[in-house]
Amino acid sequence: DTAVSQTPKYLVTQMGNDKSIKCEQNLGHDTMYWYKQDSKKFLKIMFSYNNKELIINETVPNRFSPKSPDKAHLNLHINSLELGDSAVYFCASSQGWTGNYGYTFGSGTRLTVV
Amino acid sequence: TQLLEQSPQFLSIQEGENLTVYCNSSSVFSSLQWYRQEPGEGPVLLVTVVTGGEVKKLKRLTFQFGDARKDSSLHITAAQPGDTGLYLCAGAGAYNTDKLIFGTGTRLQVFP
Repeated sequence: DTAVSQTPKYLVTQMGNDKSIKCEQNLGHDTMYWYKQDSKKFLKIMFSYNNKELIINETVPNRFSPKSPDKAHLNLHINSLELGDSAVYFCASSQGWTGNYGYTFGSGTRLTVV
Repeated sequence: TQLLEQSPQFLSIQEGENLTVYCNSSSVFSSLQWYRQEPGEGPVLLVTVVTGGEVKKLKRLTFQFGDARKDSSLHITAAQPGDTGLYLCAGAGAYNTDKLIFGTGTRLQVFP
């Protein structure tokens, strides 16, 4: 049983397209996140949801819109894709907030915009 | 802006050697986590340290949280090829609006 699953694993698309990445966790965690990992492997938070409520909304273009239909799912929709959006996107979840709780990450979605 | 600098950035060693990875910041963190990431996978949590000066051991890995809770170290004894990966430290605040800030990463390669 995969704890945090993301789909798709790979996504190759043209500039200007709209795409979505889906994430589901079966751990019963309250909080879910989207992180972006760049080519230098630096992980930066994009969004955080706690019980379907948006908690953290980092300075990302408003072309990126998260949606949490329930606390087990957090999807990421990206409009008008640009070359610079190419990266690996990770979904993660945790029980409670960051203080003493580790994150469980999905295996990532490698997005390539051509 | 909170930053976590890791050193060294890259480390290539022979099996059996010892190594230490450092994670430093000018900010105080509520807790510090260490993750290992392998190619094509997400980071996997190794340990969380929450008390200044705390030392935790996980088999051949020893983690220490600085007294002032601004820095941490990871020491690996007798490294093995299976230890190869990207090691990431991450600092956490005390509130649910605080972000988990990831370090710059250390890529470790252990050769047989």
